[in-house]
Amino acid sequence: AQSVTQLDSQVPVFEEAPVELRCNYSSSVSVYLFWYVQYPNQGLQLLLKYLSGSTLVESINGFEAEFNKSQTSFHLRKPSVHISDTAEYFCAVSEIGYSTLTFGKGTMLLVSP
Amino acid sequence: SQTIHQWPATLVQPVGSPLSLECTVEGTSNPNLYWYRQAAGRGLQLLFYSVGIGQISSEVPQNLSASRPQDRQFILSSKKLLLSDSGFYLCAWSVRQGMGYGYTFGSGTRLTVV
Repeated sequence: AQSVTQLDSQVPVFEEAPVELRCNYSSSVSVYLFWYVQYPNQGLQLLLKYLSGSTLVESINGFEAEFNKSQTSFHLRKPSVHISDTAEYFCAVSEIGYSTLTFGKGTMLLVSP
Repeated sequence: SQTIHQWPATLVQPVGSPLSLECTVEGTSNPNLYWYRQAAGRGLQLLFYSVGIGQISSEVPQNLSASRPQDRQFILSSKKLLLSDSGFYLCAWSVRQGMGYGYTFGSGTRLTVV
């Protein structure tokens, strides 16, 4: 069975500082990996995804994530955060061939001036 | 383009009252449909998913039920709400052919049971 662990429930950071949100997954087969972002009282929006090919994937707003098969990780990074990046971030995994996503418990990114 | 509608946005209901939340998808056919519940500090919990009309899979036994009367309509119901049913309910859809596109979520319903 697939599972996702986001070790940090909250990550405080100053504006323009770099940030890394950690995600580890558990699965015995090949997987798809996703990062979603949720702003207050809104649904989740897809930020980026890894399906196959290049292990480094990027979003349009400067986030990137790297798939590391040996460490079963898919950490999310941004070199310089903005106040507007304050939101909750969810990592999700789907085993290829399955019809559902399994989500981590989320990491709240708090960016302060 | 595909859109997903979920309503109402907020709802306050007394304990023991019934519940009906509706979700509809436009611009696609034969979607997989999902209901998730989000409680503070507990992430997203998959409640139900459906791969076709009348086909419902339940992930968590509880006093909620789901129905899919039409291809692009998914309804979450309860006959008698409990305090523990409070939370943020999210509907989502995905293409039938695998999870490569992930989910697209609705804007959610904030349910408070009082």
